[in-house]
Amino acid sequence: KAGVTQTPRYLIKTRGQQVTLSCSPISGHRSVSWYQQTPGQGLQFLFEYFSETQRNKGNFPGRFSGRQFSNSRSEMNVSTLELGDSALYLCASSGGQGGYEQYFGPGTRLTVT
Amino acid sequence: SQELEQSPQSLIVQEGKNLTINCTSSKTLYGLYWYKQKYGEGLIFLMMLQKGGEEKSHEKITAKLDEKKQQSSLHITASQPSHAGIYLCGAEIGAGGTSYGKLTFGQGTILTVHP
Repeated sequence: KAGVTQTPRYLIKTRGQQVTLSCSPISGHRSVSWYQQTPGQGLQFLFEYFSETQRNKGNFPGRFSGRQFSNSRSEMNVSTLELGDSALYLCASSGGQGGYEQYFGPGTRLTVT
Repeated sequence: SQELEQSPQSLIVQEGKNLTINCTSSKTLYGLYWYKQKYGEGLIFLMMLQKGGEEKSHEKITAKLDEKKQQSSLHITASQPSHAGIYLCGAEIGAGGTSYGKLTFGQGTILTVHP
């Protein structure tokens, strides 16, 4: 079974631009969670989607948004990029027959210049 | 302060030595996950513990969740260079809807294994 995939793997953007990251969960998984990882703050939860609905949200500004499609694929969008948004963005899927374990993708490395 | 504290922050051991990493919370943990990460890459799922007193093993790695469900330990027996990486504990803190899909992570333990 294929794992969680994320595209693109690397991205360089300029301050003020917006960016969209994509996550395809493991087949059969209906929950997708997004995390931001930085050296200073570590891994922080952004939001979680289940059956196209956002069920949980972390403490991030409204510039960070997401959505989930009927096939469980998810996207997250960051508008008006700031230098501090440079990070590794990870998505995780869960909810298959195995239960609640979250399986992570390889991440998207975003650099804002 | 961190909701989930890991110790030590870094660990350097000689190949063949045993080691333990701890993960402590001031709140009850409803699910405790251990992951391994190579720098800049995704997290590799190791084990999940839910019941107080639960212990799971995979190859040379054993994880335990204490009876009160507020502390977990990860023990590696006869460490090898392939064990090197960043070990992260993640937990569901808070029951019900507040924890949907949300894991709170410790700051990580950097493990170096010298051959």
